[in-house]
Amino acid sequence: NAGVTQTPKFQVLKTGQSMTLQCAQDMNHEYMSWYRQDPGMGLRLIHYSVGAGITDQGEVPNGYNVSRSTTEDFPLRLLSAAPSQTSVYFCASSYLGSCSCTGELFFGEGSRLTVL
Amino acid sequence: DQQVKQNSPSLSVQEGRISILNCDYTNSMFDYFLWYKKYPAEGPTFLISISSIKDKNEDGRFTVFLNKSAKHLSLHIVPSQPGDSAVYFCAASKGTSGSRLTFGEGTQLTVNP
Repeated sequence: NAGVTQTPKFQVLKTGQSMTLQCAQDMNHEYMSWYRQDPGMGLRLIHYSVGAGITDQGEVPNGYNVSRSTTEDFPLRLLSAAPSQTSVYFCASSYLGSCSCTGELFFGEGSRLTVL
Repeated sequence: DQQVKQNSPSLSVQEGRISILNCDYTNSMFDYFLWYKKYPAEGPTFLISISSIKDKNEDGRFTVFLNKSAKHLSLHIVPSQPGDSAVYFCAASKGTSGSRLTFGEGTQLTVNP
């Protein structure tokens, strides 16, 4: 079982370039989200989606764009990369609504992005 | 505005002893709390959770304690093992749906043999 799959695992960009981080999950989770991890700052929410066609901003959305055309996929687009976007990015998904589950997020392995 | 705070960036303990990781929160609307464990080059993985209607939840060597009046929770690991060496993140949410978790900064736990 694949769970949450992120690609690429590593990427180096030049300032001003654009790129897309891919995220796919095979657990039929309604909720998907993107976090970035920076030293001393924990995990901060960038964007999230509660279902296909529905997206919303998290804590740090500036410079990023998302779309959710299917339940499985939730790509994160960097429109014009900046050095401040150098970070490790995690995609995560979970069930929504009432369930007997623990409500936890399932994370991908991360994508390390360096912007020069 | 850090709504979930882990004040200790690192903690070092001896194998077999107790590890206590602490977390404080400021938002009284949070009613569900989780701990995640993260190894290098991997994504965080769920460890244990607690609802605000409880003050303790135990799962094997791991116990989470919640003090709502102090807005404080802690994770106890007994006995600690070298394989427990990882970064531990505290997280909080409104409701148990798993959405919009707010994370703390993380604590690096090192368990020495």
